[in-house]
Amino acid sequence: QVQLVESGGGVVQPGRSLRLSCAASGFNFSTNDMHWVRQAPGKGLEWVAVISFDGNHNYYADSVKGRLTISRDNSKNTIYLQMNSLRGEDTAVYYCAKNLRGYYFDYWGRGTLVTVST
Amino acid sequence: EIVMTQSPATLSVSPGEGATLSCRASQSVKTNVAWYQQKPGQAPRLLIFGSSTRATGIPARFSGSGSGTDFTLTISSLQSEDFAVYYCQQYNTWPPLTFGGGTKVEIK
Repeated sequence: QVQLVESGGGVVQPGRSLRLSCAASGFNFSTNDMHWVRQAPGKGLEWVAVISFDGNHNYYADSVKGRLTISRDNSKNTIYLQMNSLRGEDTAVYYCAKNLRGYYFDYWGRGTLVTVST
Repeated sequence: EIVMTQSPATLSVSPGEGATLSCRASQSVKTNVAWYQQKPGQAPRLLIFGSSTRATGIPARFSGSGSGTDFTLTISSLQSEDFAVYYCQQYNTWPPLTFGGGTKVEIK
């Protein structure tokens, strides 16, 4: 069965960096685009970034462009989110999600919480 | 950016009754809308894609409709496990992919 397991969250000070990982299993990872979606405490869902199946293309929400970078390692069935220059408004649960067809999400991980605070 | 607006924010329904949730796009998204269910402490679950196609394993009491700018998720007879927050998402024009603000379906 499909499994997505995020890791790397924690408490970090504003301006610092963090790298999230998402380990995938149960499907042909190297043929699927993958996403990061986040949810601030008590708030709705916000799409963050997508990476193409081969890692050659990625797109970002304006709110994170230039600070967050999505990448993948198909040999490890893992995607990453490098988070630099973190701000308080980046505090959220970060989910990785598997893309289906036209850019919606058929499987989600359980999420990892990132808290940006002094 | 396409803005997705959901209404109402909260819907109070008795078990066994039906519920109708609305989602409006700021411009046409054709039928490129998905719906998700999210329970507290859990990840979202895909219910509907293509405005009206149920995802694998989703019960027939969930149905979606609409095209252009107006979309509806209908739950025909609410079960206890259906009380949750529901989000619509458009994937017609991106980036960015955008979600509605959510509708919470609570027990009346």
